[in-house]
Amino acid sequence: AQSVTQLGSHVSVSEGALVLLRCNYSSSVPPYLFWYVQYPNQGLQLLLKYTTGATLVKGINGFEAEFKKSETSFHLTKPSAHMSDAAEYFCAVSDTGTGFQKLVFGTGTRLLVSP
Amino acid sequence: DAGVTQSPTHLIKTRGQQVTLRCSPKSGHDTVSWYQQALGQGPQFIFQYYEEEERQRGNFPDRFSGHQFPNYSSELNVNALLLGDSALYLCASGQVPTDTQYFGPGTRLTVL
Repeated sequence: AQSVTQLGSHVSVSEGALVLLRCNYSSSVPPYLFWYVQYPNQGLQLLLKYTTGATLVKGINGFEAEFKKSETSFHLTKPSAHMSDAAEYFCAVSDTGTGFQKLVFGTGTRLLVSP
Repeated sequence: DAGVTQSPTHLIKTRGQQVTLRCSPKSGHDTVSWYQQALGQGPQFIFQYYEEEERQRGNFPDRFSGHQFPNYSSELNVNALLLGDSALYLCASGQVPTDTQYFGPGTRLTVL
């Protein structure tokens, strides 16, 4: 069975500082990996995804993530935090990229950005 | 281009009642998946519909059932509601064979 572990339920950074949100996965097959963001009282918005190919993936709003198979990790980074980045972030894994996806989510990391 | 829409936005029910939630997928999408997100948790997969059939199911009891209509919209039905069914219910749509699901804003269900 697939699973995702997100280290740190809360991460606090200052505006302009580096953002690093950690995600480790477990999968018996080559994984498809996703990061979603959820703003208060809203649904999930896709930030970026890794399916195949280049292991460094760039997403929206300046976020990027690197797939490291040897470390079973897919950490999310952003060089400079903005106040508008404050939200809940979810890492997810799937065993297929065909459209018949069953996304398995981590428990989420709440990003707090202080001025 | 409208994204995924869900109705109602909020719903309050009492234990033992039945509830129906509705989802319209993004234009051009043909699969619909439902997820349950309890407070402070990540979403949990309930089931997925494609071509009006349930294709995959997560670890949820038979009290949770669904339907997909010819226009690709979908309903989630929950019978004999329990307090633990209180959650945000998210609908996601996608298009076979692509690899991305798009989520709606969710329906907040409160069971008293």
